[in-house]
Order: sequence, then structure tokens, then C-alpha cells
Amino acid sequence: DAKTTQPNSMESNEEEPVHLPCNHSTISGTDYIHWYRQLPSQGPEYVIHGLTSNVNNRMASLAIAEDRKSSTLILHRATLRDAAVYYCILRWGYSGAGSYQLTFGKGTKLSVIP
Amino acid sequence: DTAVSQTPKYLVTQMGNDKSIKCEQNLGHDTMYWYKQDSKKFLKIMFSYNNKELIINETVPNRFSPKSPDKAHLNLHINSLELGDSAVYFCASSAIGRNTEAFFGQGTRLTVV
Repeated sequence: DAKTTQPNSMESNEEEPVHLPCNHSTISGTDYIHWYRQLPSQGPEYVIHGLTSNVNNRMASLAIAEDRKSSTLILHRATLRDAAVYYCILRWGYSGAGSYQLTFGKGTKLSVIP
Repeated sequence: DTAVSQTPKYLVTQMGNDKSIKCEQNLGHDTMYWYKQDSKKFLKIMFSYNNKELIINETVPNRFSPKSPDKAHLNLHINSLELGDSAVYFCASSAIGRNTEAFFGQGTRLTVV
């Protein structure tokens, strides 16, 4: 499996942008980059995903390096509700598996300071 | 209307018992998963399953078995419960593919005493 590396923890002030980095130097050409987050006492929640181009949605933006060996999740204005563990995951699979597993690492614990 | 629902939310049981956790998804997804999150908060995949194929994480004891009565349900049966089985168990579902979104349930906190 291709691995990802994230900082263990980060802090941000409320209403400021947050850039969460992820390194995935062994990514293969068909791996999608997914981000999930887990709020306290809840199940993981999808944030965003991409392959090569930068992506935006209502929750966040995903900036993908040109060589795809790293990516950055951008929260444009952090709120207290964004305090969570953020997971960067490479979603791989092959046609025989039929399932394309999500393998979670340790993630980055984001603290938001009021 | 909850996309992925698990029952029960909390389960306390004695060692040696057999228990089940139910999971249902109303998203029409082809694939469902079970994850275990231990006290160190590490999320580990246990099973992924569609109506054609079951993929088992090799580290999962054979006391754990998924049962799927239909495409919308994947229940988790655990035999001869041990103290080390205490954890939060999450069910999830997704459509097939690398670029699809997975939806997770709220989790079942299992405590074995």
C-alpha cells in the first residue's frame, strides 16, 4: 500500500485559514487522494478527494502537487467545529477487489483556538 | 434520514459471550465495510464486502464474521468475546471505485467486562 505522512497535530486560530499537509511520495498513478475527518465521538466524515487537479467543495479545497507526491487540505476559515482528526488517504484498488479500501493512518489532530 | 445506521450504539457484555452489531445503509451502495477503532484511536479496516467478494484483513480473528442478509445490510458477529475486543466499531458503505465517497455510521462502543 502507498503510505501517507502527516504531522501529528496542528493548531489554528478561529476564522483563519488552515493548511494541512500530506506527503505521499510512493503514490501510484491510479491512486486517488482522499481526505476524511473525525470529530470527537463521531464516525469519520468525507471531506474531499482528487486525482491530479486541485479541487474545491463547500467544505474545503485540495491542492495537489504537480508530481502528486504531496497534497494540502485547505480550510479557508477555521471554525471551532473544524476541530477534528484529519486523515489523508490514498484510495487504491483493482478490479478484482471490488471494494477499493480506505486505509487510515494516524492523521493530524487539528485544534482551533477561539 | 440516516445514511448508515448502526445498532446498538453502546454494548456492554461479559467475556465469552457472542454478540452482533447491525448495520444498514440506505444509499444503494454496492460495498460495505467494518472498521475497528481501538483505545489509541487507530482506525483499522476489518472487512470489506460486496455481494460478490469478501475481503478480510488477515489480522482479524476468525471469531469475527460479517453476515449480509441483503445488499443494504452488513452485520458483524463476534463469538467468544475477549477483553481486547473492547473498541468502537464503525460500519461504512460506498459505491465501487477509487473516486467515490464513503459514508460512516456513528459507531458502536463495545465494552467487554
